[in-house]
Amino acid sequence: GNSVTQMEGPVTLSEEAFLTINCTYTATGYPSLFWYVQYPGEGLQLLLKATKADDKGSNKGFEATYRKETTSFHLEKGSVQVSDSAVYFCALSDRAGSARQLTFGSGTQLTVLP
Amino acid sequence: DAGVTQSPTHLIKTRGQQVTLRCSPKSGHDTVSWYQQALGQGPQFIFQYYEEEERQRGNFPDRFSGHQFPNYSSELNVNALLLGDSALYLCASSGGLLPTDTQYFGPGTRLTVL
Repeated sequence: GNSVTQMEGPVTLSEEAFLTINCTYTATGYPSLFWYVQYPGEGLQLLLKATKADDKGSNKGFEATYRKETTSFHLEKGSVQVSDSAVYFCALSDRAGSARQLTFGSGTQLTVLP
Repeated sequence: DAGVTQSPTHLIKTRGQQVTLRCSPKSGHDTVSWYQQALGQGPQFIFQYYEEEERQRGNFPDRFSGHQFPNYSSELNVNALLLGDSALYLCASSGGLLPTDTQYFGPGTRLTVL
C-alpha cells in the first residue's frame, strides 16, 4: 500500500534560517504529491503540489520537487519567518490527477524563533 | 466564495453514544472526503462520497458511516463511540466542473469521547 515518511520533529529554527523537511514515499502507480500546512487550532491548508516527476511546486517562498528516482518530495524555504511556525504534512494521492484518497505523513512541527 | 464549512466546532460525547458531524463543500465541488486526525498524527482517510454514494473507503470499521445529499453536503455518523474515537474530524471537498486532484479542507470538528 501507499505510505509517506516524514522527517521527525519538532524542528526549531531562528528567523531567516534555511528550512528543509524531508519526505519520502512509497506508492503503486504515479501519485500526485502535496504539502499541507496546519496552523494551531485550524484545518489543513494546501501549501503546494506536484503532479508528475521533476515537477516543482512552489508557494509563499516554499518549494518542493517531485523526485521519482529517489521517491522524495522534500520541502525547502530559503528564509523562514516567525509566521511559518506550524505543522507541515506531506501527502500523496493514490492516482495522479484524481482527488482520491490522500495518504499523509505524521507531520513535522516547525517553530521559528525571532 | 465560502470555503468548506463543518459543524459543530466541538462536541463532547460519552462511550457508547452516537454522533453526527456535518460538512458543506466548497462552492462548485461535488465530492466530499472525511479524515480522522488523532492528536499529534497525520489525518487518516475514512471514506469519500460522490454522486451520493460511497466511492472509496479507508480502513475504518462499519461503525463509521456517511451520507451525501443532493446538494453535495455530507454527514459522518459514528455509532457506539469508543474512547479512541476522540480526534479532529476533517472534511475535504474536491471535483466539480473542472476536475482536479486537490482537496480543500474545512476547519474540522473536535470530538471528545469521555
